[in-house]
Amino acid sequence: DQQVKQNSPSLSVQEGRISILNCDYTNSMFDYFLWYKKYPAEGPTFLISISSIKDKNEDGRFTVFLNKSAKHLSLHIVPSQPGDSAVYFCAARAQNNDMRFGAGTRLTVKP
Amino acid sequence: NAGVMQNPRHLVRRRGQEARLRCSPMKGHSHVYWYRQLPEEGLKFMVYLQKENIIDESGMPKERFSAEFPKEGPSILRIQQVVRGDSAAYFCASSGEAGNTIYFGEGSWLTVV
Repeated sequence: DQQVKQNSPSLSVQEGRISILNCDYTNSMFDYFLWYKKYPAEGPTFLISISSIKDKNEDGRFTVFLNKSAKHLSLHIVPSQPGDSAVYFCAARAQNNDMRFGAGTRLTVKP
Repeated sequence: NAGVMQNPRHLVRRRGQEARLRCSPMKGHSHVYWYRQLPEEGLKFMVYLQKENIIDESGMPKERFSAEFPKEGPSILRIQQVVRGDSAAYFCASSGEAGNTIYFGEGSWLTVV
């Protein structure tokens, strides 16, 4: 059941540049989208979210974009920092509170 | 710290034994989710519970796995007759009634030897 897909298992960017992580979903019942960041041996931590009524949400260096017609969202990190190196999970929530995650993208920010 | 609490953090079981993983949600949260992460893989949904009810268990293997979230006490994920393939990190998360955001615990690492 691959309702949420992150097709890039890994991404490597240079410090100071922009990181763009992508996510696609198939279920039109999803109305809330979230990004989580995960370090090894730790639980995922919430990063940023967006409601389906919006197309952009910004929080400091992090911006999430939502394209409902394409069922696509992306997370932009700018400028990228070495401390941003982690696995990023995209998640989608339906109105019944069911939550599904993508497989994750491992971001490496090189100094 | 009123975050999501999971215990044990690490659990070693021999094949055929039972594993019980506990999750105390954040204070005021009544929705609990369990996810499993196999080595080198993403978070796989297992089950979604509200107090005393299983809402969605579509991600749970049909045999040997069960989950509960009683009126009092933590949520428990129970794995009977564990096999090596059950070795994974099990994450619990919780959200409130109008929970748009779910918050994760630190995870429980199960190793089956």
